Amino acid sequence: DAGVIQSPRHEVTEMGQEVTLRCKPISGHNSLFWYRQTMMRGLELLIYFNNNVPIDDSGMPEDRFSAKMPNASFSTLKIQPSEPRDSAVYFCASSLGQGLLFFGPGTRLTVL
Amino acid sequence: GQQVMQIPQYQHVQEGEDFTTYCNSSTTLSNIQWYKQRPGGHPVFLIQLVKSGEVKKQKRLTFQFGEAKKNSSLHITATQTTDVGTYFCAGPRGANNLFFGTGTRLTVIP
Repeated sequence: DAGVIQSPRHEVTEMGQEVTLRCKPISGHNSLFWYRQTMMRGLELLIYFNNNVPIDDSGMPEDRFSAKMPNASFSTLKIQPSEPRDSAVYFCASSLGQGLLFFGPGTRLTVL
Repeated sequence: GQQVMQIPQYQHVQEGEDFTTYCNSSTTLSNIQWYKQRPGGHPVFLIQLVKSGEVKKQKRLTFQFGEAKKNSSLHITATQTTDVGTYFCAGPRGANNLFFGTGTRLTVIP
């Protein structure tokens, strides 16, 4: 089993640029989560989908952030325009709906 | 709102010493999960506790769920360098969502 796949693993960009993070959940999992982790704020839930439908996006910081899940095997998290304070590790996780999460390796984003 | 606090935030122990982290919720939890994140890695599921007063063991790790289902603990006996990492507890929020605690970062000194 490949596990949750995220790309890219590392992203360095300049302030104002658009950033797109990608996630492929474990096949058969019906829930997908996007988390952000920083030293200051810990592990924060940004948004989660159930059966490709966004259920809770209250954690999305502001309008610069958007997430989509066009099908059961793919999701994107987009930041436009990016800012230095967006620098963090972004994790995607999936589950079978029982609350047990399987995390991907994360994308380390640095915005200069 | 729901809060899950963990103490201590950091812990440094000598290899071979025991370690305990505590998780406290502001609300009653139907279950609690524990995750471990190695430095530079991602959180990995360790265990789920469901019953009031439940105790589960995994080798040197002992997990306990409080009688009131509002607190939990993870105890590691005779720590090893492989135990290094951040330990998170997590409680359910809604049907499929989890709320993660603040985490305890464990450092083991050889």
